[in-house]
Amino acid sequence: GENVEQHPSTLSVQEGDSAVIKCTYSDSASNYFPWYKQELGKGPQLIIDIRSNVGEKKDQRIAVTLNKTAKHFSLHITETQPEDSAVYFCPVRGSQGNLIFGKGTKLSVKP
Amino acid sequence: SAVISQKPSRDICQRGTSLTIQCQVDSQVTMMFWYRQQPGQSLTLIATANQGSEATYESGFVIDKFPISRPNLTFSTLTVSNMSPEDSSIYLCSFQTSGIKGASEQFFGPGTRLTVL
Repeated sequence: GENVEQHPSTLSVQEGDSAVIKCTYSDSASNYFPWYKQELGKGPQLIIDIRSNVGEKKDQRIAVTLNKTAKHFSLHITETQPEDSAVYFCPVRGSQGNLIFGKGTKLSVKP
Repeated sequence: SAVISQKPSRDICQRGTSLTIQCQVDSQVTMMFWYRQQPGQSLTLIATANQGSEATYESGFVIDKFPISRPNLTFSTLTVSNMSPEDSSIYLCSFQTSGIKGASEQFFGPGTRLTVL
Protein backbone atom coordinates (compact mmCIF):
# COMPACT_ATOMS: atom_id res chain seq x y z
CA GLY A 1 0.00 0.00 0.00
CA GLU A 2 0.90 3.66 0.01
CA ASN A 3 3.64 4.71 2.37
CA VAL A 4 5.51 7.89 3.22
CA GLU A 5 8.71 8.52 5.13
CA GLN A 6 9.90 11.84 6.48
CA HIS A 7 13.36 13.06 7.31
CA PRO A 8 14.54 14.31 9.67
CA SER A 9 12.28 13.36 12.57
CA THR A 10 13.46 16.41 14.50
CA LEU A 11 15.06 19.61 13.26
CA SER A 12 16.39 22.52 15.27
CA VAL A 13 17.43 25.77 13.59
CA GLN A 14 18.28 29.30 14.62
CA GLU A 15 15.81 32.03 13.86
CA GLY A 16 16.47 33.39 10.39
CA ASP A 17 18.00 30.18 9.06
CA SER A 18 16.34 27.93 6.51
CA ALA A 19 14.74 24.57 7.23
CA VAL A 20 14.24 21.70 4.81
CA ILE A 21 12.10 18.62 5.39
CA LYS A 22 12.09 15.77 2.89
CA CYS A 23 9.46 13.13 2.24
CA THR A 24 9.73 9.94 0.21
CA TYR A 25 6.64 8.11 -1.00
CA SER A 26 6.10 4.66 -2.44
CA ASP A 27 3.18 4.90 -4.88
CA SER A 28 4.31 6.21 -8.25
CA ALA A 29 0.67 6.98 -9.11
CA SER A 30 0.47 9.64 -6.38
CA ASN A 31 -0.36 13.04 -7.84
CA TYR A 32 -1.13 15.25 -4.85
CA PHE A 33 1.38 16.27 -2.20
CA PRO A 34 0.26 18.45 0.72
CA TRP A 35 2.14 19.74 3.72
CA TYR A 36 0.50 20.23 7.10
CA LYS A 37 1.64 22.17 10.13
CA GLN A 38 0.41 21.09 13.54
CA GLU A 39 0.94 23.37 16.49
CA LEU A 40 0.59 22.09 20.02
CA GLY A 41 -3.03 21.49 20.97
CA LYS A 42 -4.38 22.12 17.48
CA GLY A 43 -5.42 20.11 14.46
CA PRO A 44 -3.17 19.89 11.39
CA GLN A 45 -3.34 22.94 9.16
CA LEU A 46 -2.80 22.72 5.40
CA ILE A 47 -0.03 25.19 4.57
CA ILE A 48 0.88 24.35 0.99
CA ASP A 49 0.32 21.63 -1.58
CA ILE A 50 1.59 20.69 -5.00
CA ARG A 51 0.16 18.66 -7.87
CA SER A 52 2.24 16.25 -9.90
CA ASN A 53 2.22 18.42 -12.99
CA VAL A 54 4.21 21.12 -11.16
CA GLY A 55 7.82 20.89 -9.98
CA GLU A 56 7.85 23.73 -7.48
CA LYS A 57 5.42 26.00 -5.71
CA LYS A 58 6.10 29.00 -3.47
CA ASP A 59 4.03 30.93 -0.99
CA GLN A 60 5.96 33.70 0.75
CA ARG A 61 8.55 32.00 2.99
CA ILE A 62 7.54 28.45 2.23
CA ALA A 63 8.08 26.41 -0.89
CA VAL A 64 7.57 22.81 -1.91
CA THR A 65 9.58 20.99 -4.57
CA LEU A 66 8.64 17.70 -6.19
CA ASN A 67 10.82 15.10 -7.86
CA LYS A 68 8.48 12.48 -9.30
CA THR A 69 11.28 10.38 -10.74
CA ALA A 70 12.87 9.95 -7.34
CA LYS A 71 9.46 9.93 -5.60
CA HIS A 72 10.26 12.58 -3.08
CA PHE A 73 9.08 16.07 -2.24
CA SER A 74 10.47 18.64 0.13
CA LEU A 75 9.29 21.57 2.21
CA HIS A 76 11.55 24.60 2.36
CA ILE A 77 11.06 27.33 4.96
CA THR A 78 13.25 30.40 4.64
CA GLU A 79 13.91 33.09 7.24
CA THR A 80 12.47 30.88 9.96
CA GLN A 81 10.67 32.47 12.88
CA PRO A 82 9.79 31.05 16.32
CA GLU A 83 6.15 30.82 15.15
CA ASP A 84 7.28 28.21 12.60
CA SER A 85 7.98 25.81 15.48
CA ALA A 86 5.54 22.91 15.06
CA VAL A 87 5.25 19.37 13.78
CA TYR A 88 5.12 19.14 9.99
CA PHE A 89 3.48 16.28 8.12
CA CYS A 90 3.61 15.25 4.46
CA PRO A 91 0.77 12.76 3.96
CA VAL A 92 0.03 10.98 0.72
CA ARG A 93 -3.35 10.11 -0.73
CA GLY A 94 -4.58 6.55 -0.19
CA SER A 95 -6.58 4.48 -2.63
CA GLN A 96 -9.82 5.48 -0.87
CA GLY A 97 -9.04 9.18 -1.14
CA ASN A 98 -8.01 9.60 2.48
CA LEU A 99 -4.62 10.95 3.59
CA ILE A 100 -2.00 8.59 4.99
CA PHE A 101 0.38 10.25 7.43
CA GLY A 102 4.00 9.60 8.19
CA LYS A 103 5.61 10.19 11.55
CA GLY A 104 6.11 13.91 11.16
CA THR A 105 9.02 16.26 11.68
CA LYS A 106 9.26 18.35 14.82
CA LEU A 107 10.77 21.71 13.91
CA SER A 108 12.14 23.95 16.64
CA VAL A 109 13.19 27.49 15.78
CA LYS A 110 15.38 29.03 18.45
CA PRO A 111 15.21 32.80 18.91
CA SER B 1 -12.65 27.56 3.02
CA ALA B 2 -15.20 25.71 5.19
CA VAL B 3 -14.99 25.89 8.96
CA ILE B 4 -14.98 22.66 10.95
CA SER B 5 -15.71 22.41 14.67
CA GLN B 6 -15.67 19.60 17.20
CA LYS B 7 -17.36 19.12 20.54
CA PRO B 8 -16.20 18.53 23.18
CA SER B 9 -12.71 19.97 22.85
CA ARG B 10 -11.55 17.75 25.68
CA ASP B 11 -12.94 15.35 28.23
CA ILE B 12 -11.85 13.12 31.07
CA CYS B 13 -13.82 9.90 31.31
CA GLN B 14 -13.99 6.83 33.47
CA ARG B 15 -13.16 3.43 32.00
CA GLY B 16 -16.12 1.45 30.81
CA THR B 17 -18.10 4.53 29.78
CA SER B 18 -18.68 5.89 26.27
CA LEU B 19 -18.14 9.33 24.76
CA THR B 20 -19.68 10.75 21.62
CA ILE B 21 -17.73 13.39 19.72
CA GLN B 22 -19.55 15.70 17.36
CA CYS B 23 -18.15 17.23 14.19
CA GLN B 24 -19.85 20.07 12.33
CA VAL B 25 -18.81 21.60 9.02
CA ASP B 26 -20.31 24.89 7.91
CA SER B 27 -20.85 23.72 4.34
CA GLN B 28 -21.81 20.47 2.63
CA VAL B 29 -18.88 18.16 2.06
CA THR B 30 -18.71 14.80 0.37
CA MET B 31 -16.06 12.97 2.31
CA MET B 32 -15.57 13.06 6.06
CA PHE B 33 -13.02 11.10 8.06
CA TRP B 34 -12.18 10.35 11.66
CA TYR B 35 -8.55 10.09 12.76
CA ARG B 36 -6.85 9.24 16.02
CA GLN B 37 -3.59 10.78 17.17
CA GLN B 38 -1.90 9.46 20.27
CA PRO B 39 0.33 11.90 22.14
CA GLY B 40 3.41 12.78 20.13
CA GLN B 41 2.45 10.39 17.36
CA SER B 42 1.17 10.57 13.82
CA LEU B 43 -2.43 10.49 12.68
CA THR B 44 -4.13 7.15 12.07
CA LEU B 45 -7.32 6.89 10.07
CA ILE B 46 -10.15 5.22 11.99
CA ALA B 47 -12.85 5.31 9.34
CA THR B 48 -14.47 7.16 6.49
CA ALA B 49 -17.89 8.49 7.47
CA ASN B 50 -20.29 7.86 4.59
CA GLN B 51 -23.46 9.89 4.35
CA GLY B 52 -26.53 7.67 4.57
CA SER B 53 -24.65 4.39 4.93
CA GLU B 54 -22.32 2.58 7.28
CA ALA B 55 -18.84 3.95 7.82
CA THR B 56 -15.86 2.24 6.21
CA TYR B 57 -13.39 1.18 8.89
CA GLU B 58 -9.65 0.76 8.62
CA SER B 59 -7.86 -2.36 9.75
CA GLY B 60 -7.76 -2.51 13.52
CA PHE B 61 -10.90 -0.47 14.07
CA VAL B 62 -14.40 -1.95 14.40
CA ILE B 63 -17.89 -0.55 14.42
CA ASP B 64 -18.75 -1.90 17.84
CA LYS B 65 -15.92 0.05 19.41
CA PHE B 66 -16.15 3.20 17.27
CA PRO B 67 -19.68 3.60 15.95
CA ILE B 68 -20.00 6.50 13.55
CA SER B 69 -23.02 8.37 12.31
CA ARG B 70 -23.30 10.71 9.35
CA PRO B 71 -26.91 11.80 9.01
CA ASN B 72 -26.21 14.57 6.50
CA LEU B 73 -23.45 16.28 4.52
CA THR B 74 -22.43 18.68 7.30
CA PHE B 75 -22.42 16.57 10.47
CA SER B 76 -20.89 13.40 11.88
CA THR B 77 -20.38 11.77 15.26
CA LEU B 78 -17.82 9.31 16.53
CA THR B 79 -18.50 7.32 19.69
CA VAL B 80 -15.69 5.75 21.66
CA SER B 81 -17.38 2.84 23.42
CA ASN B 82 -16.49 0.97 26.59
CA MET B 83 -13.41 3.11 27.04
CA SER B 84 -10.12 1.99 28.51
CA PRO B 85 -6.98 4.04 29.26
CA GLU B 86 -5.55 2.88 25.91
CA ASP B 87 -8.24 4.98 24.20
CA SER B 88 -6.69 8.15 25.60
CA SER B 89 -5.85 10.11 22.50
CA ILE B 90 -6.77 13.05 20.32
CA TYR B 91 -9.64 12.35 17.96
CA LEU B 92 -9.78 14.46 14.83
CA CYS B 93 -12.57 15.01 12.37
CA SER B 94 -11.59 15.82 8.81
CA PHE B 95 -13.30 16.60 5.53
CA GLN B 96 -12.29 16.76 1.93
CA THR B 97 -13.41 19.46 -0.45
CA SER B 98 -15.26 18.52 -3.60
CA GLY B 99 -13.27 18.06 -6.71
CA ILE B 100 -11.53 15.53 -8.83
CA LYS B 101 -10.42 12.69 -6.59
CA GLY B 102 -6.78 13.13 -5.83
CA ALA B 103 -6.92 16.87 -6.40
CA SER B 104 -9.21 17.94 -3.56
CA GLU B 105 -7.91 19.41 -0.33
CA GLN B 106 -8.44 17.98 3.13
CA PHE B 107 -8.99 19.99 6.28
CA PHE B 108 -8.98 19.03 9.95
CA GLY B 109 -10.94 20.04 12.97
CA PRO B 110 -9.27 21.22 16.17
CA GLY B 111 -9.49 17.76 17.74
CA THR B 112 -10.98 16.29 20.90
CA ARG B 113 -8.49 15.41 23.59
CA LEU B 114 -9.75 12.37 25.48
CA THR B 115 -8.29 11.09 28.72
CA VAL B 116 -9.58 7.83 30.14
CA LEU B 117 -8.88 7.10 33.79
